Amino acid sequence: EAQVTQNPRYLITVTGKKLTVTCSQNMNHEYMSWYRQDPGLGLRQIYYSMNVEVTDKGDVPEGYKVSRKEKRNFPLILESPSPNQTSLYFCASSRNPSDTQYFGPGTRLTVL
Amino acid sequence: GEDVEQSLFLSVREGDSSVINCTYTDSSSTYLYWYKQEPGAGLQLLTYIFSNMDMKQDQRLTVLLNKKDKHLSLRIADTQTGDSAIYFCAEKNTDKLIFGTGTRLQVFP
Repeated sequence: EAQVTQNPRYLITVTGKKLTVTCSQNMNHEYMSWYRQDPGLGLRQIYYSMNVEVTDKGDVPEGYKVSRKEKRNFPLILESPSPNQTSLYFCASSRNPSDTQYFGPGTRLTVL
Repeated sequence: GEDVEQSLFLSVREGDSSVINCTYTDSSSTYLYWYKQEPGAGLQLLTYIFSNMDMKQDQRLTVLLNKKDKHLSLRIADTQTGDSAIYFCAEKNTDKLIFGTGTRLQVFP
């Protein structure tokens, strides 16, 4: 089944404790992206990747890192999480930037 | 800069039509999308329209695009309780999608 998976689905952590949210797609898509969803703000793009080893900042990259060592995986890294990063995070992938994006199920992160 | 706006809430009676509106600012958008997010779930693509089209119909869904006014709408005919969700419009801008704030549709019996 073609899908985008994220792990964990739910995470509660404390300020400053490094964490990684994994994202994996099995559709051989080149384009992958991370969004955060906050009430009243819709989805905002954090980072995106056009292909392996190619990543670029989205609209709200501060406090986040990503890597794209393999085509299927695009982890989101929070080196030192802060409470303002409490949010619902979505990973998405598509064949190319112009194509329809497929979204993962979301990761709800709470930073205390 | 790019901006996509939607009203936050819409409440309709079961069986009526729902119309969810969206305005955007980037006239160079090539595709415009409607996504549905059910409670606790990710985003599901409902439909999309290419910028050179005025209308697209897909079963109970009708998308209207007024490019001059930069206005996009989604009409859901015969709205059902299963249509209750948050609906996001999004515009394609070069390498990324710009999302609206989402409209929460509530369907009551």
